Amino acid sequence: EIVMTQSPATLSVSPGERATLSCRASQSVSSNLAWYQQKPGQAPRLLIYGASTRATGIPARFSGSGSGTEFTLTISSLQSEDFAVYYCQQYNNWPPSTFGQGTKLEIK
Amino acid sequence: EVQLVESGGGLVKPGGSLRLSCAASGFTFSSYSMNWVRQAPGKGLEWVSSISSSSSYIYYADSVKGRFTISRDNAKNSLYLQMNSLRAEDTAVYYCARGRQYYHFLFDPWGQGTLVTVSS
Repeated sequence: EIVMTQSPATLSVSPGERATLSCRASQSVSSNLAWYQQKPGQAPRLLIYGASTRATGIPARFSGSGSGTEFTLTISSLQSEDFAVYYCQQYNNWPPSTFGQGTKLEIK
Repeated sequence: EVQLVESGGGLVKPGGSLRLSCAASGFTFSSYSMNWVRQAPGKGLEWVSSISSSSSYIYYADSVKGRFTISRDNAKNSLYLQMNSLRAEDTAVYYCARGRQYYHFLFDPWGQGTLVTVSS
């Protein structure tokens, strides 16, 4: 089973600033890495797949990068609606498909 | 608009059973793999089970293997999860999620979830 590790657990950033979230896989997942956003009381929403492709309707301020074992989600200029929990997920080696433990992005 | 609506959650005693349903609309249900993902209170996401479009391929997480059964009815555009021998650690919100074509373990979209509580 591939273990996904996200850092930091909590990130405090001011609105308008840049946020950088990290995700590491215990072995290579190629580019088969997705990022999801989850707001309180809501279901997760797909943001990024293929490590760097934005899902339909996702604003351009969200970008993903990386391949192999190291991945990054960058939000270029934080809006109020971006404060949420973000999960990475590998879908290269399955079953099981595995998620990171999440990074909570909070307002500084 | 693609919609997934879960139902069937509730309070059940340890050792009991529950059947979850997921009603799909807005897409050709029979063309997509479907999945169940759960989230324990205050915790992260855990993949539970997947079923291919024609039910030919079925997968389970080790934590539920032998206790849970995934199934689908393409004529009714519905996905199911039969949960037996429930344990306290199965307490979670259960989401159904559509798999992407060619990437069956890429989940998009998700339903709103249904809460299962296992407690005496």
